[in-house]
Amino acid sequence: EVQLLESGGGLVQPGGSLSLSCAASGFTFSSFAMNWVRQAPGKGLEWVSSISGGGGSTYYADSVKGRFTISRDNSKNTLSLQMNSLRAEDTAIYYCAKGGAGEWGQGTLVIVSS
Amino acid sequence: DIQMTQSPSSLSASVGDRVTITCRASQGIRNDLGWYQQKPGKAPKRLIYAASSLQSGVPSRFSGSGSGTEFTLTISSLQPEDFAIYYCLQHNSYPRTFGQGTKVEIK
Repeated sequence: EVQLLESGGGLVQPGGSLSLSCAASGFTFSSFAMNWVRQAPGKGLEWVSSISGGGGSTYYADSVKGRFTISRDNSKNTLSLQMNSLRAEDTAIYYCAKGGAGEWGQGTLVIVSS
Repeated sequence: DIQMTQSPSSLSASVGDRVTITCRASQGIRNDLGWYQQKPGKAPKRLIYAASSLQSGVPSRFSGSGSGTEFTLTISSLQPEDFAIYYCLQHNSYPRTFGQGTKVEIK
C-alpha cells in the first residue's frame, strides 16, 4: 500500500523559511516522479513543483520559482521542499503526490503570518 | 501554459441524478488528464486517469471521456457520498494545471 506522510508544516513569519518532508513507502520510490501541490484556505488546488525519479529534472510554478527548491533522497525514500522568502500567499496545506498524482499524502499546513 | 477551464463552478443535484462536469484545455493534451474528488478536510482522491480509465476501487457510476481539449466527468446516478468538490488536472506539460473546481451540492 502506498503511503505518503508529509511533515514540517507550521507557523512562520513573512520572509522566513521552512522545510517540508514527505516520507514515502509501499512503492519503488526512485521509479516515480514526485510532486508538491498546495491548497490555500477555501481555495482550489495549485500545482507547486515536480521532480523526476532520479532527481535530475525539476519543475516549478512561476509563483514559487526562485524561492522554493524541491529535492529527493532516494536512499531514504524522502521528498523535500525547501521554502524560502515565504509570503502570506504561501499559506496553504501542502500535499505530496506520487507520479501522475494518483496517490496523495494527508497534507501539512503552512501558515505565513506575523 | 495550458489553461484548464472547468464548468460549472457549482451545481445542485438530487440523489439519483446524472451529473456532468466539463474541463476544456487551452491546447491539446491528448488524454493526459485526471479527475479528482475532494471532501472537506481530506486530500484529493483520483477517480479517473488517462481521461477515461477508472481508478481501482472507484464505483462504476463515475466515468470519464474526451481527448484533446474537451473532457467530461459523468456521475451516472448521484449518491449521498458523492457530494464534494471535483477537479481536473492536466499532466501533459509543465506547469501542471488544475481546473477551478466544481462543487456538487445537495438540491
